[in-house]
Amino acid sequence: DIQMTQSPSSLSASVGDRVTITCQASQDIRNHLNWYQQKPGKAPKFLIYDVSNLETGVPSRFSGSGSGTDFTFTISSLQPEDIATYYCQQYDNLPPVFGGGTKVEIK
Amino acid sequence: EVQLLESGGGLVQPGGSLRLSCAASGFIFSSYAMNWVRQAPGKGLEWVSSISGSGGNTYYADSVQGRFTISRDNSKNTLYLQMNSLRAEDTAMYYCARDYSGNYPRGADYWGQGTLVTVSS
Repeated sequence: DIQMTQSPSSLSASVGDRVTITCQASQDIRNHLNWYQQKPGKAPKFLIYDVSNLETGVPSRFSGSGSGTDFTFTISSLQPEDIATYYCQQYDNLPPVFGGGTKVEIK
Repeated sequence: EVQLLESGGGLVQPGGSLRLSCAASGFIFSSYAMNWVRQAPGKGLEWVSSISGSGGNTYYADSVQGRFTISRDNSKNTLYLQMNSLRAEDTAMYYCARDYSGNYPRGADYWGQGTLVTVSS
């Protein structure tokens, strides 16, 4: 199975800060990478597909980039409502695998 | 509006069985693959199983292969997960999630609120 390694596992930042999360695949997954947001006690929400395409309704402060094995998720200006755990997920090979998650908190 | 409503979770003894259901509405059910994704308490997300829109193709995680069976009834807009030989490590919130693909599991664009399965004696 492909392994997805996210870092950091948690971070604390101030409102307005730029936040960056990385996701590394154990092998080339081309552009077959999605990102999700999960708020405490809630179901995950689909944010970004195919590395950099924002799902309809997702604020433009969220973005994604990368290819092959190294990917980045960015919040350009952290807002209080962005407090959540973020997951990457590959679908290049079965099984689909999620990263371990990055918990984002407000400093 | 896309809605997914899971049911069927509960407390079951090790070795027991449960059948989860997911009632879908707000979209053409047969046009989309569907997924089950679980989350153990305090842990991350784990893909469990997927089924193509027609129901002709199914996919399973190694951890549930041979014990779980995914199925769908497109006439009832309902997804199922039959879980047999349950183990303590199957304890989790189980989410039903629509895939944005019609066939091969790619990504889950809509999620239900989940149903909790607890395996304990």
